[in-house]
Amino acid sequence: DQQVKQNSPSLSVQEGRISILNCDYTNSMFDYFLWYKKYPAEGPTFLISISSIKDKNEDGRFTVFLNKSAKHLSLHIVPSQPGDSAVYFCAARATSGTYKYIFGTGTRLKVLA
Amino acid sequence: NAGVTQTPKFRVLKTGQSMTLLCAQDMNHEYMYWYRQDPGMGLRLIHYSVGEGTTAKGEVPDGYNVSRLKKQNFLLGLESAAPSQTSVYFCASSQGQLETQYFGPGTRLLVL
Repeated sequence: DQQVKQNSPSLSVQEGRISILNCDYTNSMFDYFLWYKKYPAEGPTFLISISSIKDKNEDGRFTVFLNKSAKHLSLHIVPSQPGDSAVYFCAARATSGTYKYIFGTGTRLKVLA
Repeated sequence: NAGVTQTPKFRVLKTGQSMTLLCAQDMNHEYMYWYRQDPGMGLRLIHYSVGEGTTAKGEVPDGYNVSRLKKQNFLLGLESAAPSQTSVYFCASSQGQLETQYFGPGTRLLVL
């Protein structure tokens, strides 16, 4: 049972436009969420996180929104740049649980110049 | 400051062979993790360690063993490789339980 789902395997966006990557989760105990970015032949790198006490966190061009009632989070990239082309993973964990993050399957973003 | 490094980058094994993947971190992190990534699946935790000399099972531990004899190193062993263990293996480390995990570049393993 996939507790963290990224239902869009891929997404193409024009340079300068907004990219919206979505992530849904099923476990109501999850209270901390992260987005990682992964380039080919490299390990994932941390991008941005959000705690369940917030509904929005912003870092430059990247904003993560959390809708706890819908068990949904999204990553907005504005404006999108060709260097943003990568695979994006969302991950979730329960603070009171084990040291385990549950990762989604990833969304491959392609920003077209 | 190299961060998290993994050795080797790529390996081909025959079924039944054994090998050890090495992960090293120079950030003095307490926590270390081994994940595998397979097509169409997220990263899945194999084993993890919360400090030198400690290890614990993750989500998919069967067929793997680990050791953390030194704080900076976390070894993942395959005693008898199977084709189902063909995957990309990532090591990660973090300072604390809720801290960001930093990943290595991965080891691509093919078991024939």
